[in-house]
Amino acid sequence: NAGVTQTPKFQVLKTGQSMTLQCAQDMNHNSMYWYRQDPGMGLRLIYYSASEGTTDKGEVPNGYNVSRLNKREFSLRLESAAPSQTSVYFCASSAQPTPYEQYFGPGTRLTVT
Amino acid sequence: KQEVTQIPAALSVPEGENLVLNCSFTDSAIYNLQWFRQDPGKGLTSLLLIQSSQREQTSGRLNASLDKSSGRSTLYIAASQPGDSATYLCAVRLSGGYQKVTFGTGTKLQVIP
Repeated sequence: NAGVTQTPKFQVLKTGQSMTLQCAQDMNHNSMYWYRQDPGMGLRLIYYSASEGTTDKGEVPNGYNVSRLNKREFSLRLESAAPSQTSVYFCASSAQPTPYEQYFGPGTRLTVT
Repeated sequence: KQEVTQIPAALSVPEGENLVLNCSFTDSAIYNLQWFRQDPGKGLTSLLLIQSSQREQTSGRLNASLDKSSGRSTLYIAASQPGDSATYLCAVRLSGGYQKVTFGTGTKLQVIP
């Protein structure tokens, strides 16, 4: 089983450039999430999608947009990258309504110069 | 706002020792609590999920307990091995806001051969 996959694994952007991080899951999960992980901050929720066709803001949504393309895929877009968006980005999925156990992808390491 | 604390931030133990990792949370109205391990440069791997109605969960050498009234969970690792070296994270999902998950900043464990 592939589980949760993310592309790319690494990316370097210049300030102002845009890019889309891709995420896909093959577990037929309804809910999908995007987190960022920064040293000393823990993981913080950027956006989530409770089900196909819905998206909602998490704790740190500014500077990001998301698209739930279908049940399998959930993408995260940086329209104009800033150095503060240098981070490791994780996608996760979980089943509903129970038990909401989350499964994570391997992450995308993004550097904005 | 839910706050999740993991103390200590780092722990070093000799191989074979039994150890306990701690996770504290401020809002006891939780839906579930999940323990993860994260290896350097990797994604998060789910270890155990405890629903709010449960007191503990076990998997192999791992045992996680939950005391909602005191806002605490512990992860017990029996007979530690060098392969257990990783960062251990706990994540708390609130009741009601099922999609809002708060992570602790983790305990970095080193098991010395």
